[in-house]
Amino acid sequence: DTGVSQDPRHKITKRGQNVTFRCDPISEHNRLYWYRQTLGQGPEFLTYFQNEAQLEKSRLLSDRFSAERPKGSFSTLEIQRTEQGDSAMYLCASSLLAGVYEQYFGPGTRLTVT
Amino acid sequence: KQEVTQIPAALSVPEGENLVLNCSFTDSAIYNLQWFRQDPGKGLTSLLLIQSSQREQTSGRLNASLDKSSGRSTLYIAASQPGDSATYLCAVPTTDSWGKLQFGAGTQVVVTP
Repeated sequence: DTGVSQDPRHKITKRGQNVTFRCDPISEHNRLYWYRQTLGQGPEFLTYFQNEAQLEKSRLLSDRFSAERPKGSFSTLEIQRTEQGDSAMYLCASSLLAGVYEQYFGPGTRLTVT
Repeated sequence: KQEVTQIPAALSVPEGENLVLNCSFTDSAIYNLQWFRQDPGKGLTSLLLIQSSQREQTSGRLNASLDKSSGRSTLYIAASQPGDSATYLCAVPTTDSWGKLQFGAGTQVVVTP
């Protein structure tokens, strides 16, 4: 396994459109995190999965955002009715056990909303 | 609420000089602390994870120290090279949740030849 992968790497969309991002974690990792990063800032937590269960969502995750992790493998993050403020880098990370083991990050998906 | 601060926000050094990057956190009840490197427009690469029971962790030219009681960690990069130019971020798991990381804003490093 070569690490966490994300697809697409870049997405340009018009305001009001829906977009979906995919994350494939390291295969044996049962914990998966989504973060969002804007220019000049550190990543901010969005949501967390343990296997297929979504256990926490940040206040940053409005009703327009939804995330899934079917069968505890890959995860998708969907943004409906995109707004210009959604423009950011969306990062996915995975780990074996939070609080003890390292989180490994993917290359990110850069979203630009025009 | 855990807050993580990195000072300075930017740093420029000539090649060969040692780099010292600082990270401070407000809640000393941490499990570990991770240092990451981020190149422009890219994801994060984990450099070092230092457990709360450790005082230092080393990997090649990198050395991270941790002082929980004072809420500080320092990343040392020896004999800097132009390829070390990047943004360096530190992060700690929040104690109120499932290990989600609280990040500092990062220190942008430029190493000039």
